[in-house]
Amino acid sequence: NAGVTQTPKFQVLKTGQSMTLQCAQDMNHEYMSWYRQDPGMGLRLIHYSVGAGITDQGEVPNGYNVSRSTTEDFPLRLLSAAPSQTSVYFCASSYSGGGTIRAFFGQGTRLTVV
Amino acid sequence: GQQLNQSPQSMFIQEGEDVSMNCTSSSIFNTWLWYKQEPGEGPVLLIALYKAGELTSNGRLTAQFGITRKDSFLNISASIPSDVGIYFCAGRRTSYDKVIFGPGTSLSVIP
Repeated sequence: NAGVTQTPKFQVLKTGQSMTLQCAQDMNHEYMSWYRQDPGMGLRLIHYSVGAGITDQGEVPNGYNVSRSTTEDFPLRLLSAAPSQTSVYFCASSYSGGGTIRAFFGQGTRLTVV
Repeated sequence: GQQLNQSPQSMFIQEGEDVSMNCTSSSIFNTWLWYKQEPGEGPVLLIALYKAGELTSNGRLTAQFGITRKDSFLNISASIPSDVGIYFCAGRRTSYDKVIFGPGTSLSVIP
């Protein structure tokens, strides 16, 4: 298993550009989510999905779109990048069943908007 | 909305000391999670707690699900240099709800 794979690892965007951060997992996990991490603010939830075709907003969804057409993939789209979106973005997936949770994070995408 | 608070914000301890940190919520959770993040990496799940009062260990780490269901605690015994990192608590209200994170406790271990 590759776990949770995020691409790209680093990205520089100009203000106003759009792009998609990719996230894929090969563990057949139903739950996937995107977080952004800024210094001193922990991980803030952007969007999450409890299964293919189902998405919902997290704490800081503005400026981001997601879709979940397959169980494996959960891309995050920045519609019009702003400097305030400079951050480290993490994708996570998890499975709950049999009284246990298995949860994994990707390595992160470091995004700079200039 | 839901909010998690962690204390302390940071800790500097001597190798061999025990560590205690906690997490409080404005909402009742049915699951508490504790993660560790090392520099340049994504968080790694350490311990998951599923019911009030539960006490769970993972090696030198012990975590407890608070009786009120609004708090959780993590203890690390006999700290070692590789314990350095940021420790996050996270929780969710139901099995299909979103998972939100606290702001983290930064741990530094002085050899």
